[in-house]
Amino acid sequence: DTAVSQTPKYLVTQMGNDKSIKCEQNLGHDTMYWYKQDSKKFLKIMFSYNNKELIINETVPNRFSPKSPDKAHLNLHINSLELGDSAVYFCASGTGGGHQPQHFGDGTRLSIL
Amino acid sequence: SQKIEQNSEALNIQEGKTATLTCNYTNYSPAYLQWYRQDPGRGPVFLLLIRENEKEKRKERLKVTFDTTLKQSLFHITASQPADSATYLCALVGDGSQGNLIFGKGTKLSVKP
Repeated sequence: DTAVSQTPKYLVTQMGNDKSIKCEQNLGHDTMYWYKQDSKKFLKIMFSYNNKELIINETVPNRFSPKSPDKAHLNLHINSLELGDSAVYFCASGTGGGHQPQHFGDGTRLSIL
Repeated sequence: SQKIEQNSEALNIQEGKTATLTCNYTNYSPAYLQWYRQDPGRGPVFLLLIRENEKEKRKERLKVTFDTTLKQSLFHITASQPADSATYLCALVGDGSQGNLIFGKGTKLSVKP
């Protein structure tokens, strides 16, 4: 069974559209994350979330919003997509704190036309 | 601001040799440091974690060192194999309680038969 799964794997859409990426983890972890990997392969944290607290990286535009219907899911909504949003988005889960590994999904490759 | 550098973007070695990858950090005193492997089209996969009070950690053919004076970690793969070819990422835990990871840009390792 896949531990962290994201859908869709590929997303091609027009500038200005609104889209969502879904993420589910079956590891029972309390904390989930969204990372963005740009064209230079640099992986950067966007959000971290547990059932009590959402922490937003200050560099993330407010067009991006995470939504968590329950502990096992953290979806990413993006409004008014821009060309610069093209990247690979990774969901991850963990127990929180730096002393434990994070488990990553295989990414969603978003391409804006 | 916190900064992580992996000095080599790419490293090419011959099968059977030891690969050594370097990770340096500045403006930070992390309690933990993690190493991940990323294959093309896949998410990062956790390999090893080392604590600030540990000088060295081993797992099969992998060895990680952590020098808090030099602010450096070295990642070694002994008896390298073509299957070890991948991008290797070092990561430190950022500020805050949720364990957000700050990644280096990665080193792409190619092991030639």
